[in-house]
Amino acid sequence: GAVVSQHPSRVICKSGTSVKIECRSLDFQATTMFWYRQFPKQSLMLMATSNEGSKATYEQGVEKDKFLINHASLTLSTLTVTSAHPEDSSFYICSARDLIRPPSNQPQHFGDGTRLSIL
Amino acid sequence: AQKITQTQPGMFVQEKEAVTLDCTYDTSDQSYGLFWYKQPSSGEMIFLIYQGSYDEQNATEGRYSLNFQKARKSANLVISASQLGDSAMYFCAMREGLGAGNMLTFGGGTRLMVKP
Repeated sequence: GAVVSQHPSRVICKSGTSVKIECRSLDFQATTMFWYRQFPKQSLMLMATSNEGSKATYEQGVEKDKFLINHASLTLSTLTVTSAHPEDSSFYICSARDLIRPPSNQPQHFGDGTRLSIL
Repeated sequence: AQKITQTQPGMFVQEKEAVTLDCTYDTSDQSYGLFWYKQPSSGEMIFLIYQGSYDEQNATEGRYSLNFQKARKSANLVISASQLGDSAMYFCAMREGLGAGNMLTFGGGTRLMVKP
């Protein structure tokens, strides 16, 4: 089945560091990928929709300059948390959908997530 | 208004018994899909079951079944014969429309705890 790989799984770094998270679709092409953020004991909140070859679409309240998204190929989207601060500590998870392989009601496939801890 | 509502923040169930996790949704679209995901403590999201708005029969996948009541806009997940490994967070989600880039909207989740 379709697989989404997310790397790294865990990051601990100092305040002010920029952190890049990669999301890859391993056996399918993903023109669209999604980035979610999840705080402890809360639900997943969509941050942005990443579109291959074009600018990402950010949800209201999400800072574009803080969370840079690049979707340069059909199998890779990256999220860069720039100048991270402790309040950026969270669980970040990406997802993608195989739009070609049937059935047409394919669910989104999620990466395993990245736990980001900013000291 | 909330698009997806899960009214049970936490639930206990005895091992081997069945449990129902509630989910109600709100949409004006005629075409939509409803999903249930399981999230264990390790964090990954595991797809469980899907119900399309035009599907006439309730979806079933092994021990999981979806009680879809379109008029009531509810899509409850039923887990039969609960196992200890079923202890996790469960999220109901909806995708509105048939668009390729349509994202999922998640409910607040229900933490299920299976007692031995």
